Amino acid sequence: KNEVEQSPQNLTAQEGEFITINCSYSVGISALHWLQQHPGGGIVSLFMLSSGKKKHGRLIATINIQEKHSSLHITASHPRDSAVYICAVSNTGNQFYFGTGTSLTVIP
Amino acid sequence: NAGVTQTPKFRILKIGQSMTLQCTQDMNHNYMYWYRQDPGMGLKLIYYSVGAGITDKGEVPNGYNVSRSTTEDFPLRLELAAPSQTSVYFCASSSLQVRDYGYTFGSGTRLTVV
Repeated sequence: KNEVEQSPQNLTAQEGEFITINCSYSVGISALHWLQQHPGGGIVSLFMLSSGKKKHGRLIATINIQEKHSSLHITASHPRDSAVYICAVSNTGNQFYFGTGTSLTVIP
Repeated sequence: NAGVTQTPKFRILKIGQSMTLQCTQDMNHNYMYWYRQDPGMGLKLIYYSVGAGITDKGEVPNGYNVSRSTTEDFPLRLELAAPSQTSVYFCASSSLQVRDYGYTFGSGTRLTVV
């Protein structure tokens, strides 16, 4: 069993829909990260959070430390949001664990 | 532009050959990392460095070596390339600790060993 599990693995949405991607982890962490990998392969760090909620534009990330769960929400989705979204956790021992990603396709 | 620069972007190696993947960052970040990404798998940490002169193994270090002679550069060396090392390699950097500042990733190196 992976230390970080994401769901769903694949997601197709219509433009404008509200999207939620979930991440559960089984290890102690100091931070959780959401990354975005575009079809060209480049990876961008979207959020890093250790508690509560962060918002950046149409993206919202939440984390529940007690439940070891995080969600990434995309409001008013757009085709340019199509990418693989990766959840990762890190701990104070500099160990890093990555989920296998959620492939999102937003259809116009 | 500031960021993490990886070279080359693509490379094909024959079994047993060696090569160095270059990684340079101009953000004065202390931490640097090398990851590999296999199809359908999550990123795996190969090696990381917390500063010049200091390196440490990650989850999958076998078959690789690194050095960190300067803050900016963190090359990854493959000795005796094997087909199992066919992967996409990403270099990343962060300031102080990842949990404080997050990552900046390079654009990746797609390596095929035949």
